[in-house]
Amino acid sequence: KNEVEQSPQNLTAQEGEFITINCSYSVGISALHWLQQHPGGGIVSLFMLSSGKKKHGRLIATINIQEKHSSLHITASHPRDSAVYICAVRGSGGGADGLTFGKGTHLIIQP
Amino acid sequence: DSGVTQTPKHLITATGQRVTLRCSPRSGDLSVYWYQQSLDQGLQFLIQYYNGEERAKGNILERFSAQQFPDLHSELNLSSLELGDSALYFCASSVWTDSSYNEQFFGPGTRLTVL
Repeated sequence: KNEVEQSPQNLTAQEGEFITINCSYSVGISALHWLQQHPGGGIVSLFMLSSGKKKHGRLIATINIQEKHSSLHITASHPRDSAVYICAVRGSGGGADGLTFGKGTHLIIQP
Repeated sequence: DSGVTQTPKHLITATGQRVTLRCSPRSGDLSVYWYQQSLDQGLQFLIQYYNGEERAKGNILERFSAQQFPDLHSELNLSSLELGDSALYFCASSVWTDSSYNEQFFGPGTRLTVL
């Protein structure tokens, strides 16, 4: 079992729909990242969370530390949101900051 | 643009060869991370350097090595290359201190193809 599980693996939606991507993890963490990767390959950091909720434009990220779960929401989705969204965690054991990644959610927003 | 630069953008080489990938972190960032993204394994953490010193190792093969220089740029050396080493290699940097962990910023990646 992977330490970081994402669902769904693939998601196709219509423009304007509200999108939710989920991430569950099985280890103690000190931080959780949501990353976006476009077809060209580059990775953009969307959020870094250790508790609560963060909002940036149409994107909202929440985390529940007790339940070891995080969600990424996209409101009023647009075709330009089409990308792979990756959840990654930093362990809480101190020391290494290398991230452990989920396998990603491939999102397609159709016009 | 994250401010992290990586060269080269693409690299095609043959099995058994050795290559060097280069990363320049954002100005002021002391910590550099290397990640590998392959089709079968996804994204994996390879190694972290902080201010010239190795900080942590992840799933890095013995054929791979890295270093961080006094000007803080980093190089990842891959030797005795195998077909399975074909992947995207990302570098990330962050302002890292003993007391706080900060966001990582990713470079554009180097796509390595081993033929």
